[in-house]
Amino acid sequence: GNSVTQMEGPVTLSEEAFLTINCTYTATGYPSLFWYVQYPGEGLQLLLKATKADDKGSNKGFEATYRKETTSFHLEKGSVQVSDSAVYFCALNSAGGTSYGKLTFGQGTILTVHP
Amino acid sequence: NAGVTQTPKFQVLKTGQSMTLQCAQDMNHNSMYWYRQDPGMGLRLIYYSASEGTTDKGEVPNGYNVSRLNKREFSLRLESAAPSQTSVYFCASSYETSGRAGGKNIQYFGAGTRLSVL
Repeated sequence: GNSVTQMEGPVTLSEEAFLTINCTYTATGYPSLFWYVQYPGEGLQLLLKATKADDKGSNKGFEATYRKETTSFHLEKGSVQVSDSAVYFCALNSAGGTSYGKLTFGQGTILTVHP
Repeated sequence: NAGVTQTPKFQVLKTGQSMTLQCAQDMNHNSMYWYRQDPGMGLRLIYYSASEGTTDKGEVPNGYNVSRLNKREFSLRLESAAPSQTSVYFCASSYETSGRAGGKNIQYFGAGTRLSVL
């Protein structure tokens, strides 16, 4: 079956530091890959996505590249801000057959950014 | 544009009580989902509805029932609540249904219901 593994958290950084959150996956076929973000007290919202190998998703200074050869989709940001403090979820979505379009999530990584 | 609306936001139940969590979306989406979020486990799918009139089990359906009341509304019912059902519950919706396009589905989430079962 499908699975997503994220790096263990929590991650604590100072403002303007470089961020990497690792994500690797196991899936059949050609899944789409997503990063969702959950701010305190809110639901999840899509941060970025990539639908095929070598695609780069980007949004709000965050980037992630779909690497089929390493089955990875690591999230990066060059300079984090206090407002980036949130929980980040990596997810995949396989279409077709019984997988339908369901999302499989990683366990989430808590990011805290200090001034 | 409200998106996905969940009610209530918070609920405390005693073991054995029943309740229904409500979810409504105003984006004319075909598909709707219920997830639970537990610490260190990400989100796990409870039930989903690919289209109006259909429902299917997800990863953790035991102890829950669902109803797709119409295209907008998808409710989750706990018939006899247990402490193991203490969790945060999220409803989500998406436009695509199935097939290749479903793999590019973007799901939109509600703000969640925080449920405690004592």
